[in-house]
Amino acid sequence: AQKVTQAQTEISVVEKEDVTLDCVYETRDTTYYLFWYKQPPSGELVFLIRRNSFDEQNEISGRYSWNFQKSTSSFNFTITASQVVDSAVYFCALSVYNTDKLIFGTGTRLQVFP
Amino acid sequence: KAGVTQTPRYLIKTRGQQVTLSCSPISGHRSVSWYQQTPGQGLQFLFEYFSETQRNKGNFPGRFSGRQFSNSRSEMNVSTLELGDSALYLCASSWTSGGGNTGELFFGEGSRLTVL
Repeated sequence: AQKVTQAQTEISVVEKEDVTLDCVYETRDTTYYLFWYKQPPSGELVFLIRRNSFDEQNEISGRYSWNFQKSTSSFNFTITASQVVDSAVYFCALSVYNTDKLIFGTGTRLQVFP
Repeated sequence: KAGVTQTPRYLIKTRGQQVTLSCSPISGHRSVSWYQQTPGQGLQFLFEYFSETQRNKGNFPGRFSGRQFSNSRSEMNVSTLELGDSALYLCASSWTSGGGNTGELFFGEGSRLTVL
């Protein structure tokens, strides 16, 4: 069975601080995909990144970076120099090959204070 | 390019009624999936459709059903509504080719259902 764990329920930081959101996953499949989504108060899930199981390269996109480590089954997300607009709930998710069925973690609520 | 469109955005029903929610995927996307979000259970997968065929179904009772049309638009139906069906229902679309690659899933703003 697949499972995604986001142990951090809520994180509060002050603007310009760096923050890392943790994600640990479980699957027996060898081919799978990992995702991060942002959910602002409006409710829409905003796609941030998709990574397949064969690509362990870290990725950086502006202030966002992701660290994928298969050895520890983790796919952590770091926001550098956080901003108030980063306040949202962030979800990590897992899907297996040939399906759009996502297994979501419980989410981490990030609050960035000015 | 228009995003995923869900209608209605908000609705209120009473127990025992039924409801139909609609989802129009991003143009060119052939895969549509549905999710239920509640404070207690979080985000849970309902169904996935590709080319009018249900490819996957989550662990929900038979009161929850769905379908996809030839233009890739999708509907989901919940019959005999219960209080616990109150939730945000999210639809996602992707350019999954059907050949195996899981695409980037793009979500709509959701339909918020309240059951009284």
